[in-house]
Amino acid sequence: RKEVEQDPGPFNVPEGATVAFNCTYSNSASQSFFWYRQDCRKEPKLLMSVYSSGNEDGRFTAQLNRASQYISLLIRDSKLSDSATYLCVAYNNNDMRFGAGTRLTVKP
Amino acid sequence: EPEVTQTPSHQVTQMGQEVILRCVPISNHLYFYWYRQILGQKVEFLVSFYNNEISEKSEIFDDQFSVERPDGSNFTLKIRSTKLEDSAMYFCASSPNRDRNEKLFFGSGTQLSVL
Repeated sequence: RKEVEQDPGPFNVPEGATVAFNCTYSNSASQSFFWYRQDCRKEPKLLMSVYSSGNEDGRFTAQLNRASQYISLLIRDSKLSDSATYLCVAYNNNDMRFGAGTRLTVKP
Repeated sequence: EPEVTQTPSHQVTQMGQEVILRCVPISNHLYFYWYRQILGQKVEFLVSFYNNEISEKSEIFDDQFSVERPDGSNFTLKIRSTKLEDSAMYFCASSPNRDRNEKLFFGSGTQLSVL
């Protein structure tokens, strides 16, 4: 079983749409969680941390459900520049495990 | 913003050759990492390094791999005898501490092609 599992997509949405990504993790001992963004053939860049209480950063909202071992990312009012691959990450004991990513394309 | 720098950006080598990938982490960071990403696949953890020794390593990081911090600034990944399946993008990362909420700063990667 994959440690961090994501729907690979692709998600193709029009500008202004709301889109949600889901992620599940298998290691219940995972301590913290993140969403990273990766543009084509570039390094991953942190988008936001994910807290149990849920957190919001502008158009982005992340949620964590420890009981279900489930993480989500909601993007509101999507922009063309949001087109990228979104990586779900679970952290445990000094290593981060990445999901395979969900590809998003925002179209005019 | 401070950056993690990696050199070279591209490395082409023959199968069986040794390669050294170089990284300069952010200067006040204490934890260093190597990840790799085979084209079209996920980012995979290789190894973490703290206080001049390996903290964690994955099943990928076998005897062909080694890491070193030869001086106060560089952090290197050596592959002793490269195989075709070692072709990938290799990312170095660093973080200031081991705080579980601390973000990783990634370098822009070295694309390794083994022929």
